[in-house]
Amino acid sequence: EAQVTQNPRYLITVTGKKLTVTCSQNMNHEYMSWYRQDPGLGLRQIYYSMNVEVTDKGDVPEGYKVSRKEKRNFPLILESPSPNQTSLYFCASSLSGRVSNEQFFGPGTRLTVL
Amino acid sequence: KQEVTQIPAALSVPEGENLVLNCSFTDSAIYNLQWFRQDPGKGLTSLLLIQSSQREQTSGRLNASLDKSSGRSTLYIAASQPGDSATYLCAASLYGGATNKLIFGTGTLLAVQP
Repeated sequence: EAQVTQNPRYLITVTGKKLTVTCSQNMNHEYMSWYRQDPGLGLRQIYYSMNVEVTDKGDVPEGYKVSRKEKRNFPLILESPSPNQTSLYFCASSLSGRVSNEQFFGPGTRLTVL
Repeated sequence: KQEVTQIPAALSVPEGENLVLNCSFTDSAIYNLQWFRQDPGKGLTSLLLIQSSQREQTSGRLNASLDKSSGRSTLYIAASQPGDSATYLCAASLYGGATNKLIFGTGTLLAVQP
């Protein structure tokens, strides 16, 4: 089944404790991205990757890192999480980032930072 | 700066009614517009994608229209069912953008009463 998977689905952590949220897609998509969803603000893009080893900032990149060492994986790293990063996170992928294709989203990761 | 607005924020209808969800965007230079459904704990599911050259797309009981000149898109749901209860999001992809970034509205929470 073609899909985008994220792990973990739920995470409660404390301020300053480094964490990684994994994202994987099995559709051989070139483009992957991370969004966060907050009440009243909708979904906002954090980082994106046009292809392996090519990443760039989205609209709200502060406090986050990403890497794209393999085509299928695009982990989101929070080096020192803070309470304002409590949010619902979505990973997405599409066939290409240069032509506007349909995007497919993962199930989401609900993160709480205490 | 592109802004996407969805009205109403919440809607409750009895089963069987036809209904329309509205989405407006401030910049008509969009590449496409995508409608998603969001269920709790299940991420975003793509419903319909309308390219800028198209005026509407249909899938089953769903019909989405796009009017770039007025900056509007509508999602029409025919013969609503309780299973249609979810949050519906629209997202615009910017024409000429360097990446496949989506600008999301804040969604319409739909409740279909049996």
